[in-house]
Amino acid sequence: SQQGEEDPQALSIQEGENATMNCSYKTSINNLQWYRQNSGRGLVHLILIRSNEREKHSGRLRVTLDTSKKSSSLLITASRAADTASYFCATVNTGFQKLVFGTGTRLLVSP
Amino acid sequence: DGGITQSPKYLFRKEGQNVTLSCEQNLNHDAMYWYRQDPGQGLRLIYYSQIVNDFQKGDIAEGYSVSREKKESFPLTVTSAQKNPTAFYLCASSIQPTGIHEKLFFGSGTQLSVL
Repeated sequence: SQQGEEDPQALSIQEGENATMNCSYKTSINNLQWYRQNSGRGLVHLILIRSNEREKHSGRLRVTLDTSKKSSSLLITASRAADTASYFCATVNTGFQKLVFGTGTRLLVSP
Repeated sequence: DGGITQSPKYLFRKEGQNVTLSCEQNLNHDAMYWYRQDPGQGLRLIYYSQIVNDFQKGDIAEGYSVSREKKESFPLTVTSAQKNPTAFYLCASSIQPTGIHEKLFFGSGTQLSVL
């Protein structure tokens, strides 16, 4: 079963704008990870945030985690056409049993 | 050039046939994983292995088998018992002991279709 749900399912913006994607999950987690997937390719790990962290940055990426609401957000600032991809959140539960992926947000950045 | 290599990129299976998907990594990672992705959906875990000669079932292991005879290799066999095998299959690896299921590196995938 899939733990995470991303919102929105699809997002279309212009280059230079910011893109925000949200992820909600159901059970207690050890960490939450965000991945990017270009069409027909494998996934690329972007960032990992642990349950005791509230915010993390990596380049143009900013991730927040609210464990009380069981939600996370990924912000991509100053987006580029090359950011066009699907973005997935994935959670590892407190038992470290597996990494469970959400259904993804498709981001389209137009020049 | 370190990474994960999956082959073939496209694979066709006939009814009643077993097929094997190859996954090789030269990252010296301990853990390896197989995921299945259906169109418009997230990934679902089939099997994973933390060490050589040991592996665990994921959520959808029925109709699949794996082996881990070498650290570098984790082949997946899709057996005839898997009645709906058409999907995109992704192999991944991660370094340990930083954590199982963390910071996965993925191959470029194999698209399996049924003839």
